[in-house]
Amino acid sequence: QQQVKQSPQSLIVQKGGISIINCAYENTAFDYFPWYQQFPGKGPALLIAIRPDVSEKKEGRFTISFNKSAKQFSLHIMDSQPGDSATYFCAASKGGSSNTGKLIFGQGTTLQVKP
Amino acid sequence: DVKVTQSSRYLVKRTGEKVFLECVQDMDHENMFWYRQDPGLGLRLIYFSYDVKMKEKGDIPEGYSVSREKKERFSLILESASTNQTSMYLCASSQRLVGQYFGPGTRLTVT
Repeated sequence: QQQVKQSPQSLIVQKGGISIINCAYENTAFDYFPWYQQFPGKGPALLIAIRPDVSEKKEGRFTISFNKSAKQFSLHIMDSQPGDSATYFCAASKGGSSNTGKLIFGQGTTLQVKP
Repeated sequence: DVKVTQSSRYLVKRTGEKVFLECVQDMDHENMFWYRQDPGLGLRLIYFSYDVKMKEKGDIPEGYSVSREKKERFSLILESASTNQTSMYLCASSQRLVGQYFGPGTRLTVT
């Protein structure tokens, strides 16, 4: 119920291609879904986030697609660049008055974009 | 910009030593978190705090304790360091309804 399952574990994409990372959750109380990007030796950085009242959110080359009925959400990186090579984590949290900001993280996807 | 700082980037300690990891955030965030990150295991929550002097256990609290005496500061304590606590330790802070902001991490090696 508390898990967020992320796939694939690793991904290799050619420069200019589309990178797609998927996450699935079970707890319908989750209402905030962020994605984090982590470069080696650095802490994760908040990349983009979505709430379930919209089905898609786009920021530059990064898009989150959200399917509430399927309890799935995905990150699409358009025109992938070698500089996008990093580990990506999806996450989910419950909102409401009891919100403590606690996130449930997926296991992470290591993306390599080949020149 | 939110800034979360951690006291050390790299730390080497001996087995049995008491270890203090410090984290400071400058955005008046209510919530603070400690994670450890290990290859293949992702981010695992050790402890979190949603207010001064308040703390809750995360998924892997054994062998760790925390202290939050001031809103901006959250300390992780390894009472008696062991080699299986060699890891990357990440601190994060957040406000209600928004995502967490992470520090740069402390790579701890226990020999």
